[in-house]
Amino acid sequence: SYVLTQSPSVSVAPGGTAIITCGGSDIGSKSVHWFQQKPGQAPDLVVYDDRDRPSRIPERFSGSNSGKTATLFISRVEAGDEADYFCQVWDSSSAHWVFGGGTKLTVL
Amino acid sequence: EVRLLESGGGLVQPGGSLRLSCATSGFTFKNYAMSWVRQAPGKGLEWVSGFGDSGGRAYYSDSVKGRFTSSRDNLNNTLYLLMNSLRAEDTAIYYCARSMLTTGVFEFWGLGTLVTVSP
Repeated sequence: SYVLTQSPSVSVAPGGTAIITCGGSDIGSKSVHWFQQKPGQAPDLVVYDDRDRPSRIPERFSGSNSGKTATLFISRVEAGDEADYFCQVWDSSSAHWVFGGGTKLTVL
Repeated sequence: EVRLLESGGGLVQPGGSLRLSCATSGFTFKNYAMSWVRQAPGKGLEWVSGFGDSGGRAYYSDSVKGRFTSSRDNLNNTLYLLMNSLRAEDTAIYYCARSMLTTGVFEFWGLGTLVTVSP
């Protein structure tokens, strides 16, 4: 089955740029989606199809995807961005949605 | 406004059954793919089941295949998850999610319902 690998945690100072990665075999050939989840809340879509954003999500959130790694960038990080972030892809070979294990973003 | 409201969670003994519901409003339910995703306490997200639009078939994760059955009532705009032979490892918050029309990505999520499997 397809596996997505995320680092457990990332820390960044306010105003800095958070870089959250998601690794997978030939992930560059898939569409990657990113979700933000704050404590006690449901997940919220922040980036889809590698780099697109829902209209409610600020431009500070962006994404890229190439080769074996997809990346979520959060620029000008704010305290309110502190959350868990999950990547997701559709694995057509198994007809399964797959989530990464999640990355906890800490704003110092 | 798109709304998804899960219900039906609770405490159940191992081996028991439970049926979850996801009542929806604010969109034309029959046109959209829907899914169930769960999250065990302190753990990450796990996709459970996906259902296509009105004519689609249901797909299941390996961990629930053969035990869980997803269905949808397009007249009452409701998604269901029938869970049989429940195990302790099925303990989780269960979310329903609606996909975008253009892509399968989960655009809207409900607040979730907690299922606890314990003696």
